Amino acid sequence: RKEVEQDPGPFNVPEGATVAFNCTYSNSASQSFFWYRQDCRKEPKLLMSVYSSGNEDGRFTAQLNRASQYISLLIRDSKLSDSATYLCVVRNEKLTFGTGTRLTIIP
Amino acid sequence: DGGITQSPKYLFRKEGQNVTLSCEQNLNHDAMYWYRQDPGQGLRLIYYSQIVNDFQKGDIAEGYSVSREKKESFPLTVTSAQKNPTAFYLCASSSALIGTSVSEQYFGPGTRLTVT
Repeated sequence: RKEVEQDPGPFNVPEGATVAFNCTYSNSASQSFFWYRQDCRKEPKLLMSVYSSGNEDGRFTAQLNRASQYISLLIRDSKLSDSATYLCVVRNEKLTFGTGTRLTIIP
Repeated sequence: DGGITQSPKYLFRKEGQNVTLSCEQNLNHDAMYWYRQDPGQGLRLIYYSQIVNDFQKGDIAEGYSVSREKKESFPLTVTSAQKNPTAFYLCASSSALIGTSVSEQYFGPGTRLTVT
């Protein structure tokens, strides 16, 4: 089983819709979790950390389910500018990156 | 403006040549990292350095070498021994080593290396 697993997509979603995707991780002792955003041919940038209690930043909500070992990202009222690849990242002694989920918002 | 710079953005080399990718940061970060990204794969750690004159192998260090003579600089050499060097190379830094703290990791803009 991969350390961090994501559905690669691509997911094509109409503008204004709500979209959610998950990421599973294999190490139950994993300490911290993050979502990074990567635009085409650019570097990854931190979108948000994922806390045990869940956290929200504007239209973005991240949640952690330790029992089932997954984290989720929910985007409400999606914008064209949300089109990107979303990388799930798990921290143990180092960061382990998922392959990313490609999201395209369609006008 | 504080940040990480990598140059050049695109680099083309012939097979059998060594090539050095530059990475400079002015964030005063202690820790620096090199990753490689291939299509359909997550970022994979090549080398990392916690402090000047010290560095450690990551998951895929074979065929690569690094140096850390200055805090600001962490160049990566892709040697001719690297079997599949064509990739997107990303340099990153953090204020402390990622496993020891929750400090955020910042990435440079990357260098696309094509070896033919």
